[in-house]
Amino acid sequence: GAVVSQHPSRVICKSGTSVKIECRSLDFQATTMFWYRQFPKQSLMLMATSNEGSKATYEQGVEKDKFLINHASLTLSTLTVTSAHPEDSSFYICSARDPQGTASSDTQYFGPGTRLTVL
Amino acid sequence: ILNVEQSPQSLHVQEGDSTNFTCSFPSSNFYALHWYRWETAKSPEALFVMTLNGDEKKKGRISATLNTKEGYSYLYIKGSQPEDSATYLCAFRRVEQFYFGTGTSLTVIP
Repeated sequence: GAVVSQHPSRVICKSGTSVKIECRSLDFQATTMFWYRQFPKQSLMLMATSNEGSKATYEQGVEKDKFLINHASLTLSTLTVTSAHPEDSSFYICSARDPQGTASSDTQYFGPGTRLTVL
Repeated sequence: ILNVEQSPQSLHVQEGDSTNFTCSFPSSNFYALHWYRWETAKSPEALFVMTLNGDEKKKGRISATLNTKEGYSYLYIKGSQPEDSATYLCAFRRVEQFYFGTGTSLTVIP
């Protein structure tokens, strides 16, 4: 199946710094990637949809200036958490849709996630 | 906010037991229902994509059924093995958007 990598897997940073997380589709081209966040004991919540070559679409309540998304190529999307604060500590996971699937049966392929801890 | 509920939250079974869990979702504007298997420190792995009411899918000892009219899907594991231990996530898809449940954590005791 399709493989998505995510880097780093874990990051600890000081409050006020910015953190960049990379999401790569390794064996397919992804025109659309998704960024999710998961707080403890909660479900994966979609933050934004990242489209190659255009601006990301953010979900309601997600600050676009706080969570910068760049999808510069068909295999790479990045999420930058700017001026991170302790409340941004969470598990961030990306996914990519393989456009080879049919419209209704295609699925999302996930990276392994990034655990962000802001001190 | 769209509610997708999974039950039970966690489950411990003995090796060899069969088990099942439930995913409940809204019955309106249904597009697809996805099941994922998520082992710790790994990427969620796609198990099934189900689109039609009455769908039944099978992959080895794991199978799933779908009822879109009443808004639920069951995942069955026959003869559980320790390697089946993982969190099983369902996601209700409404066209482009995926709405996830909180998962069922399965532990198979040897």
